[in-house]
Amino acid sequence: NAGVMQNPRHLVRRRGQEARLRCSPMKGHSHVYWYRQLPEEGLKFMVYLQKENIIDESGMPKERFSAEFPKEGPSILRIQQVVRGDSAAYFCASSYSGEGYGYTFGSGTRLTVV
Amino acid sequence: AQRVTQPEKLLSVFKGAPVELKCNYSYSGSPELFWYVQYSRQRLQLLLRHISRESIKGFTADLNKGETSFHLKKPFAQEEDSAMYYCALSSSGGSYIPTFGRGTSLIVHP
Repeated sequence: NAGVMQNPRHLVRRRGQEARLRCSPMKGHSHVYWYRQLPEEGLKFMVYLQKENIIDESGMPKERFSAEFPKEGPSILRIQQVVRGDSAAYFCASSYSGEGYGYTFGSGTRLTVV
Repeated sequence: AQRVTQPEKLLSVFKGAPVELKCNYSYSGSPELFWYVQYSRQRLQLLLRHISRESIKGFTADLNKGETSFHLKKPFAQEEDSAMYYCALSSSGGSYIPTFGRGTSLIVHP
């Protein structure tokens, strides 16, 4: 079991471009969570998804950010028209049944907007 | 609303010294508390949770509901303990989505 896989590990985008971050959960896990880590800050919850459903997106910025977790394939966090302030590390976690202790984290994607 | 406060961004100690990483929380319900650790160039991983009352790598943490704290302690720090430590809180009923503190960087000097 390869664990939670995130790719790419590093992503550089120019202002105005789109960023697509991928997360493949652990085998058997159907709950996916995205977090953002900004410099000098902790992990901020963004969105919680189950297969084909967004369960909680209370931490997602209202504009430019979207997430999906299709029936087949990885979960995608999409940021449109990126700005410098989007530069951060984005972490994905998965769990089997939704309990907080069962989280397994990926290695993260570090997005740099130039 | 859930909130987790880790007042120290950085904690620097010498090998063999005791370590205490502070964590305070605010939550009106019954919380579940966790400590996560992130070693250099590695992914975030669960260190321990209050409900299991276990000691992992010599670390322990006791939930003090009166002081709303869940400090992480180790009597004798080792160099390999150097890492980022995150305290997290999850509600035991309803949403399980953990809220994380901003993290404390522990550096253990030889």
